[in-house]
Amino acid sequence: AQSVTQLGSHVSVSEGALVLLRCNYSSSVPPYLFWYVQYPNQGLQLLLKYTSAATLVKGINGFEAEFKKSETSFHLTKPSAHMSDAAEYFCAVSDLSGSARQLTFGSGTQLTVLP
Amino acid sequence: NAGVTQTPKFQVLKTGQSMTLQCAQDMNHNSMYWYRQDPGMGLRLIYYSASEGTTDKGEVPNGYNVSRLNKREFSLRLESAAPSQTSVYFCASSEAGLAGVETQYFGPGTRLLVL
Repeated sequence: AQSVTQLGSHVSVSEGALVLLRCNYSSSVPPYLFWYVQYPNQGLQLLLKYTSAATLVKGINGFEAEFKKSETSFHLTKPSAHMSDAAEYFCAVSDLSGSARQLTFGSGTQLTVLP
Repeated sequence: NAGVTQTPKFQVLKTGQSMTLQCAQDMNHNSMYWYRQDPGMGLRLIYYSASEGTTDKGEVPNGYNVSRLNKREFSLRLESAAPSQTSVYFCASSEAGLAGVETQYFGPGTRLLVL
C-alpha cells in the first residue's frame, strides 16, 4: 500500500516569506500525487496534481510542487505568502486498489501566515 | 453547477441513534467516495463506489453502510451511532473508476457529534 508523510503538522511564516510544505511518499510504482487545500469549515479544493508529464507542477494561487523521484518527495512551495493562504494543506497519493482509484492522504499541515 | 452537495451540514446524535448522510453530485461522475476527517489523521476512506450499482469498503468501514442510489447520489448510514463516530464526513466524486488520473471533488462536509 502507498503512504504519504507530511513533515510538520503546523508551519508558520510571515506574510511575504517563502512557503515550504513537505510531503514524502512511498510507492512501488510511479505515483500520482496531489496537493489539496482546506479552508476553515470548508471541503477540500485541489491545488495541483502530478501525473508524470512534468516534474515541476504549477497550481492555483501561485503554488507549485516539484516531484523528486530520488528523494520520494513532492514538496509544495509558494515564493511569497499571503494572509489568504492560511489553511490546512493535504498531500495525497493515488492508488489503484480494488475497483477504483483511491486517495491516501497525509495527516495535513496547518499553515499560519503572520502579519 | 453545484458540484458535490451534502446534507445535513451539522448533526448531533445520541449514542445508539441512526442517521443517513446524503450526498449528491451533478458532474455526471462515475465514482463516489465517503471519507471521515479526524484531527491529526487526515482523511480516511470509509466506502467508495466505482460506478452505479457497486460499492466497496475502504480503510475504516466498520459501523457504516452505504447505498449508491443512482449515478448522482451516494448515501452513508450509521445504524447505531457511537461517540467514536464523532467526526467530519466528506463526500467526493471523480470521473473515472479505473483508468487515468481523475481528480476527486469534495463536498463541504457534514459535522457529526455523537453524545
